[in-house]
Amino acid sequence: GAVVSQHPSRVICKSGTSVKIECRSLDFQATTMFWYRQFPKKSLMLMATSNEGSKATYEQGVEKDKFLINHASLTLSTLTVTSAHPEDSSFYICSARKGLGNYNEQFFGPGTRLTVL
Amino acid sequence: QKEVEQNSGPLSVPEGAIASLNCTYSDRGSQSFFWYRQYSGKSPELIMSIYSNGDKEDGRFTAQLNKASQYVSLLIRDSQPSDSATYLCAVNGNSGGYQKVTFGTGTKLQVIP
Repeated sequence: GAVVSQHPSRVICKSGTSVKIECRSLDFQATTMFWYRQFPKKSLMLMATSNEGSKATYEQGVEKDKFLINHASLTLSTLTVTSAHPEDSSFYICSARKGLGNYNEQFFGPGTRLTVL
Repeated sequence: QKEVEQNSGPLSVPEGAIASLNCTYSDRGSQSFFWYRQYSGKSPELIMSIYSNGDKEDGRFTAQLNKASQYVSLLIRDSQPSDSATYLCAVNGNSGGYQKVTFGTGTKLQVIP
């Protein structure tokens, strides 16, 4: 199997606070994890690629000082949304890569729904 | 040109029919191809992976890959209302020296009872 968990599944916070989301690969080691954001009825948008033991690679237009990513181990990556604002409200989904080279698959966590008031 | 292109749909098929979902990609060096299913409000779920030309069958699902035409498809036989979802095509290629999976925008499938 390939199970990826995310915590919390849902969070509501006040504007200006920071929110941390955890992503764990439960039954495999993932050297690479990915963070996506998805607005209602819109496509997945890759925010950043997280590699264990090194700095994350952010996609163009994603503020790295606002979305802090830490890939502390082969099974855990965290995304911290700092000083959250209502426009950050979205569905945040992580995924973890299993396998090597071209023969690898990405498995998604269940997602975290963030609402900033 | 988008890297991975899908028709957004919706594609409507009657229950019991074959649903055919199509995807084209631009990177000729791509090696791995995936289909994900995403129900509304949920995260994507991997349903098929295919790496070589031809067909790959898994239950009611068949993935077809044609690298020469840069085309990958997903057939769903005996479509059920529970198959109604958005189907995402994903292609793995090399970008800047590292592996990167690019997702299409998805095709919404509606199976009519």
